[in-house]
Amino acid sequence: DGGITQSPKYLFRKEGQNVTLSCEQNLNHDAMYWYRQDPGQGLRLIYYSQIVNDFQKGDIAEGYSVSREKKESFPLTVTSAQKNPTAFYLCASSKRRGGTDTQYFGPGTRLTVL
Amino acid sequence: QQQVKQSPQSLIVQKGGISIINCAYENTAFDYFPWYQQFPGKGPALLIAIRPDVSEKKEGRFTISFNKSAKQFSLHIMDSQPGDSATYFCAASMAYYKLSFGAGTTVTVRA
Repeated sequence: DGGITQSPKYLFRKEGQNVTLSCEQNLNHDAMYWYRQDPGQGLRLIYYSQIVNDFQKGDIAEGYSVSREKKESFPLTVTSAQKNPTAFYLCASSKRRGGTDTQYFGPGTRLTVL
Repeated sequence: QQQVKQSPQSLIVQKGGISIINCAYENTAFDYFPWYQQFPGKGPALLIAIRPDVSEKKEGRFTISFNKSAKQFSLHIMDSQPGDSATYFCAASMAYYKLSFGAGTTVTVRA
């Protein structure tokens, strides 16, 4: 899990609620990523950030929002607009932007909508 | 639209056997091909990676074979051990672009 922490490990949400997943890294990495993992679908990119105060949508950004106010932190908010939020969420970071730098993953947060 | 296609979805191998996972890609601009290993309930971790200027890379019992003309690459796990039981993801990317992951292969090694 390197120097990336995610909290909480498990999260339960009622329909219609927004929830925020925490991701912190102490690796001094510039780039951070959020992925969603569903069985049989691999990892799909939600949002990524290459520097502080800047972020871009990934492949499945609808219903999610992020912020990057500090280099170390990249929280993800799952909004009530996300139609099927139950999934395993993974945060990652890399030294520099771009896919050719090794991405280090956190331990993940499992979100369940009740 | 998945840019990297991975097969099989799952495989079972006896201890000491060889596990083979295959991936294919379409984008010829890809120039970095990593493999990630994920244990249940954990985040993936980089296992081994290759660039297209070599056809094979070996690290311990893990070998990547790369066929640029066929746009295919594969992971071979030699002398498979129960501790290798995990989900393996192939991926591909190019500089300053995001990683595209395959759907994953769950490997079970029977003792």
